Order: sequence, then structure tokens, then C-alpha cells
Amino acid sequence: GAGVSQSPSNKVTEKGKDVELRCDPISGHTALYWYRQSLGQGLEFLIYFQGNSAPDKSGLPSDRFSAERTGGSVSTLTIQRTQQEDSAVYLCASSLVNEAFFGQGTRLTVV
Amino acid sequence: DAKTTQPNSMESNEEEPVHLPCNHSTISGTDYIHWYRQLPSQGPEYVIHGLTSNVNNRMASLAIAEDRKSSTLILHRATLRDAAVYYCILRDVIGSNYQLIWGAGTKLIIKP
Repeated sequence: GAGVSQSPSNKVTEKGKDVELRCDPISGHTALYWYRQSLGQGLEFLIYFQGNSAPDKSGLPSDRFSAERTGGSVSTLTIQRTQQEDSAVYLCASSLVNEAFFGQGTRLTVV
Repeated sequence: DAKTTQPNSMESNEEEPVHLPCNHSTISGTDYIHWYRQLPSQGPEYVIHGLTSNVNNRMASLAIAEDRKSSTLILHRATLRDAAVYYCILRDVIGSNYQLIWGAGTKLIIKP
């Protein structure tokens, strides 16, 4: 594909349910990042992958959040037992050396 | 982690140059200065980056102070499509962690 693809683009879920967000990075990009952005705020770092390993998970807000990356490509971010404060836009980016390319994000609304 | 400071917002007239400042007084010798912008309802997009020398590309110019404690993103002729939030970010390229630390950015308003 031409760019970073995220799915779904929008997700409405009930409080307490689990959700899975998907990111397809640009082919060949070794680095992959997950961020979340609340309305009117800057980007909050969640996790970073280099290949399939995650050297930095420091941004995950709680143990309800987890992420994996397989085959050095697709990544999924899973949020268990969603809470209303999890509502935000979740952004994925991939990078080879310098420039990071972002997807359009997944807008998650927990009701 | 090294941090950056930017004004919350700036206004400019269409067709005029815009200078967006960024302070990074705690920058280390291995930090690159990156600029991204985020248009409404979109993911951020890369604008430009540099280390010590001034840089030019088709989107903008980056002027870096001699002591590297500040930099300025220059849009030579702003259009309405340049209205966005502009983020100045430092990125360490020596360590194995290429994490980008994002601040609040500058909201650029372009007046027709």
C-alpha cells in the first residue's frame, strides 16, 4: 500500500468490552509506533516496536493495554475492559530512518 | 528526555511568510530537530528535520540557531491549506530508541 493503514477508522464500544485496533505499516519499515490523542491535545506515546520486539512499553497507561507485532509488519493494539477515559484517537506510525509516516487513526468512543 | 517549548498559537495572513519558533534549551548533541504538522482530522505529517545546518525542502525551511537551543520553521508563503498544528520534536538517533516526544504544538491560523 501507499501509506500506513489503520482499521477500523471508527469504533464505538460499550464500557467493559475489549477492542482490537489494527495497523498496517509501510512495507519494509522496521519501526512502528502507537500514540493516542485526546481532543485538542498533543500526541501521547504508548509503545514502540523495532521489528517484532517492543523495547519501550513505558507509555502503556495500564495493564488493560497490550500490543503485538508479528512478522515485522502488522501490529494490533488491544484494550481490555474499556473505560470511558480510553476514548481518543489512536494513531499508528511507521518509520525506516528519519521520517515517520502516520495513519489516519482509529477514533475510539467508549459509551 | 529533552523537551521543546512552542507558542500555543500564531496568526498570519495568507500569502505572507510565517516564522514558527521553537525553544529546546536542553538539546543534546545527538538530537535531531524534527517538525511535523497535523491538519484537522488527520494524522501528523512530516515537514522537515535537521541537525546543525539550515535545511530547505519543498514544504519549508528550517533555521537552527548556532547554539542549537532554538530553531524556526519558515513557511515562505502561507496558504489556507497550511492552517494546522505544528509540532517541534527532538529525536535522539544514537540510542536504539527512536521515540518521538510530542509537545502541545503551535496552532497556526491563516487569515484570508
